[in-house]
Amino acid sequence: DAGVIQSPRHEVTEMGQEVTLRCKPISGHDYLFWYRQTMMRGLELLIYFNNNVPIDDSGMPEDRFSAKMPNASFSTLKIQPSEPRDSAVYFCASSPAPLGGELFFGEGSRLTVL
Amino acid sequence: GENVEQHPSTLSVQEGDSAVIKCTYSDSASNYFPWYKQELGKRPQLIIDIRSNVGEKKDQRIAVTLNKTAKHFSLHITETQPEDSAVYFCAASEGRGLTGGGNKLTFGTGTQLKVEL
Repeated sequence: DAGVIQSPRHEVTEMGQEVTLRCKPISGHDYLFWYRQTMMRGLELLIYFNNNVPIDDSGMPEDRFSAKMPNASFSTLKIQPSEPRDSAVYFCASSPAPLGGELFFGEGSRLTVL
Repeated sequence: GENVEQHPSTLSVQEGDSAVIKCTYSDSASNYFPWYKQELGKRPQLIIDIRSNVGEKKDQRIAVTLNKTAKHFSLHITETQPEDSAVYFCAASEGRGLTGGGNKLTFGTGTQLKVEL
């Protein structure tokens, strides 16, 4: 398996633009997570899905952020409109197990909002 | 929700010395404690984990200890090597059982470990 695949790896955009980040989890993994990493706040959980259903989105910063998982092999994280403070590395991770399962992270998407 | 604190934020050791990173957590129901290593520009990767039914686990040069009463756990790296230089994150899972919430990990803020020659 190729692991968790994220795209794009790098995104530079201007404030106010829409940003869409994409993730393909490892086949067979029932859990998918979106994390945001910044120097100031470390790794923050934004939202996670179980069997394509959003379970906990309490970490989503505000209404500008939305995430979907239309099927077991694809998820998107959208920011509209983007702001400079959204600049961060966004990681997608998947896990095969419930409580106590290892997270397999993608390579991350580095977002820069000018 | 769970709160995980990690110390120190930076740690510099000489090659061959030991390194210890400590974490505390707030939710007494947490029962899974993994450690992730993140090299510069790379993804976090699991290096070792421990569950609440054991107090210590070892894997070659890496060991983790857990004190549930005090709600703290530690990572120990012995005989450090330059390739151990990275950021290390501890984490704890919110033990909500099998309702779908049990896999939510809360991460510490990370420790930048530098192993000097």
